Amino acid sequence: DSGVTQTPKHLITATGQRVTLRCSPRSGDLSVYWYQQSLDQGLQFLIHYYNGEERAKGNILERFSAQQFPDLHSELNLSSLELGDSALYFCASSVGALWDTEAFFGQGTRLTVV
Amino acid sequence: QQQVKQSPQSLIVQKGGISIINCAYENTAFDYFPWYQQFPGKGPALLIAIRPDVSEKKEGRFTISFNKSAKQFSLHIMDSQPGDSATYFCAASRVAYGNKLVFGAGTILRVKS
Repeated sequence: DSGVTQTPKHLITATGQRVTLRCSPRSGDLSVYWYQQSLDQGLQFLIHYYNGEERAKGNILERFSAQQFPDLHSELNLSSLELGDSALYFCASSVGALWDTEAFFGQGTRLTVV
Repeated sequence: QQQVKQSPQSLIVQKGGISIINCAYENTAFDYFPWYQQFPGKGPALLIAIRPDVSEKKEGRFTISFNKSAKQFSLHIMDSQPGDSATYFCAASRVAYGNKLVFGAGTILRVKS
């Protein structure tokens, strides 16, 4: 168990809908990263928050947004969902914001858009 | 230029054998190269990582070899065990960007007993 908690584990929703994925980082970790894992694109970095502030953005669609709250948990909001958004969404956390603090991944949320 | 190319896609190795997975990158600004192991239903877990100031790093049965001039790095798993059967991802990032990782496509390793 990495100590990173993601909810829900599975989510099935219809096209056009909006969903919220939640991530609770390990105790003491200030950084939260979101990744998308799909069969065709592999593991792709979406966004990084450090202590409530956005630090870096990757291949995140405009329909997606995220935030990190004062208690350090993070939410990834996906709207106007399309079939192609079906994927595993991982959250990872680390103590710091630099390379030398290991990122621990949660077990992921499997999103299926039908 | 952001890509990390990983090969092979899949690998079958006999128990006790050596598993070798290769990665190549284009962006010379990358300066942190981790390998992750992922079991079905789990998130990736850091296995071993290297910075380009060393050519090799060994942790137990796992070794990273790094060739800066060729922009290649590889993972060697010595004395491979059935419990090593998993998907392995190489990745790269810039130190300043922390764990904003660019991942390879993954290698599915199966160790036959």
